[in-house]
Amino acid sequence: EAGVTQFPSHSVIEKGQTVTLRCDPISGHDNLYWYRRVMGKEIKFLLHFVKESKQDESGMPNNRFLAERTGGTYSTLKVQPAELEDSGVYFCASSQGRINSPLHFGNGTRLTVT
Amino acid sequence: GDSVTQMEGPVTLSEEAFLTINCTYTATGYPSLFWYVQYPGEGLQLLLKATKADDKGSNKGFEATYRKETTSFHLEKGSVQVSDSAVYFCALIQNQAGTALIFGKGTTLSVSS
Repeated sequence: EAGVTQFPSHSVIEKGQTVTLRCDPISGHDNLYWYRRVMGKEIKFLLHFVKESKQDESGMPNNRFLAERTGGTYSTLKVQPAELEDSGVYFCASSQGRINSPLHFGNGTRLTVT
Repeated sequence: GDSVTQMEGPVTLSEEAFLTINCTYTATGYPSLFWYVQYPGEGLQLLLKATKADDKGSNKGFEATYRKETTSFHLEKGSVQVSDSAVYFCALIQNQAGTALIFGKGTTLSVSS
C-alpha cells in the first residue's frame, strides 16, 4: 500500500509569490487533513476534507490560503501571496471514515518564504 | 478548547538511559491519546495510543498510560538507543468520526552513544 505522498518536499519562494502544495492520500481514504508546524511550535490543524467537501476549515489562517480536493482524490493547498510567517512544514494526513481510524501522515513539505 | 502540553526539549540522553517525556492534556469528555514520532527526514508515525482511562499503549519498548485523574499521558522507555533520536509529539482526538488531532509542540530527543 502506497503511503501519503506530498510534493514538493521543499520549496523556497520570495514573499509575494505563489506556491501550491500537493497531497496524494492513501487510496480509499475519505478523510484528508492539512496541518502546519511553524518552527518550534505545535503542529496546528488547518482543514479537513471528507471526500471533496470541506468538513472543517477553522484552522485556515486567512484568505491567502486556498485548499481544494477536486474529485475527492488528491488535494492542493495554495498560498497566494506568501508571507514570511507562512514558513514552516506543511503536513498532509489521511484516514478511513471510522472513529479512531489512525491518521497516516506524509513526509511534509518544508516551505521557506524569504 | 482542547489542548496538549508537553515538556520542552531538547532532551539529551546517553544510550541505555531511562526516558520520560511528560504530556498533559485539557479536553472535554474522554478523548483518545497518542504519541507520534518524527524521525529525521521522515513524516509523522504513530508510535502508540490509548483510547480510554488506564489503558497502556506500548510499542518498540515505549510505553504510556492514560491517566484521567492527572490528565496525563507520559511517554517512557527503559533504555533508549541512538536510533530513538527523533521528535516526539503527544496528541489527542475526540472520539467522533473525522475530528482533527490536536498536537503538543513536540519534544526533540537526542541520544548519544
